[in-house]
Amino acid sequence: DAGVTQSPTHLIKTRGQQVTLRCSPKSGHDTVSWYQQALGQGPQFIFQYYEEEERQRGNFPDRFSGHQFPNYSSELNVNALLLGDSALYLCASSLIGTTYEQYFGPGTRLTVT
Amino acid sequence: GDSVTQMEGPVTLSEEAFLTINCTYTATGYPSLFWYVQYPGEGLQLLLKATKADDKGSNKGFEATYRKETTSFHLEKGSVQVSDSAVYFCAHLANQAGTALIFGKGTTLSVSS
Repeated sequence: DAGVTQSPTHLIKTRGQQVTLRCSPKSGHDTVSWYQQALGQGPQFIFQYYEEEERQRGNFPDRFSGHQFPNYSSELNVNALLLGDSALYLCASSLIGTTYEQYFGPGTRLTVT
Repeated sequence: GDSVTQMEGPVTLSEEAFLTINCTYTATGYPSLFWYVQYPGEGLQLLLKATKADDKGSNKGFEATYRKETTSFHLEKGSVQVSDSAVYFCAHLANQAGTALIFGKGTTLSVSS
């Protein structure tokens, strides 16, 4: 049973560029959440997707956007990258009826120079 | 607003020592509570959870009891091993709808033999 997978593992971008991160949920899961984890901090909720719609959003600017596909996989897009966007981006999947139990992927390490 | 406060680390222990990591939360109502563990270079893994007051979550020798009177969910283990070295995060659900997880800043545990 495949767990949550994310790609790429690492990414280096220049300030002002755009980036797309990808996530495949655990088999059988239909809900995907994205979190940003800055170095030495706990993860912060960005947004959650269900049925291809954004269900809830955290306190992040519109530069952060997402998408969920019919196969439940998801993308996180960040435009106009800032140095402060450097972080580990974590994807978590769950079932809509039990979203309290979220399974996390290994993350994508984004470095903005 | 909702928040989670964990004891600051790092916590350094010898093998077989007793572990306590304190966690308190601020939230509306009585949210589900969680402990996640993050091993070096990996994503978060759910360690244990409690969904209502006085519940005790347990897993791999770790325990935590949901105390609504003190809004606490302290993590304990009677005898730590070197393999328990990791970062531990306390978290709660942001609302009863069960979407966003609110995390503490994490506590680093280092166990030496």
